[in-house]
Amino acid sequence: DAKTTQPTSMDCAEGRAANLPCNHSTISGNEYVYWYRQIHSQGPQYIIHGLKNNETNEMASLIITEDRKSSTLILPHATLRDTAVYYCIVRAGKLIFGQGTTLQVKP
Amino acid sequence: KAGVTQTPRYLIKTRGQQVTLSCSPISGHRSVSWYQQTPGQGLQFLFEYFSETQRNKGNFPGRFSGRQFSNSRSEMNVSTLELGDSALYLCASSFTGGRTYEQYFGPGTRLTVT
Repeated sequence: DAKTTQPTSMDCAEGRAANLPCNHSTISGNEYVYWYRQIHSQGPQYIIHGLKNNETNEMASLIITEDRKSSTLILPHATLRDTAVYYCIVRAGKLIFGQGTTLQVKP
Repeated sequence: KAGVTQTPRYLIKTRGQQVTLSCSPISGHRSVSWYQQTPGQGLQFLFEYFSETQRNKGNFPGRFSGRQFSNSRSEMNVSTLELGDSALYLCASSFTGGRTYEQYFGPGTRLTVT
């Protein structure tokens, strides 16, 4: 499975869009990009995944670059409850969680 | 639809003992994966079961084992417990376990080894 690189931490103002970047330059053609988040003391929560097209669901949008070497998770209107660790994972087999990005949403 | 359930939620054991943790997946899900989470190592994959067969295995010693039953419920066992086994053990289920799937995690079992 390809390795991912994410910033260690980010801040976002409540009500604003949170844009979380992820680099996965060694991604191969059959590997999907997954995003999960983990709110303190809870199990991780699936957010969204994609292969090469941009995806949107009720939680977030996923933008994948044309060369698939990076992606951005967008939370359109961040709330305090979105404060969590966000994991970007490239997967063709088992899920390999990195250190993720700690997103702090501030009032 | 009920979520993934794990029992027990909290457990305290002594070094050298063994422990069995249980996971009931979401109804209809056939794949169950187990993870260990510690402050130092983060979330680490233990193993995945699909249709009662272990399909993937992480880099853990043989003291860690698991199994899956015909109703997709899964158990993991840790023998000869060490202090370093203290962790949050998470179970996740998914429908197919194939190339594209969403995993749904349970609340975890917090194991403390003294």
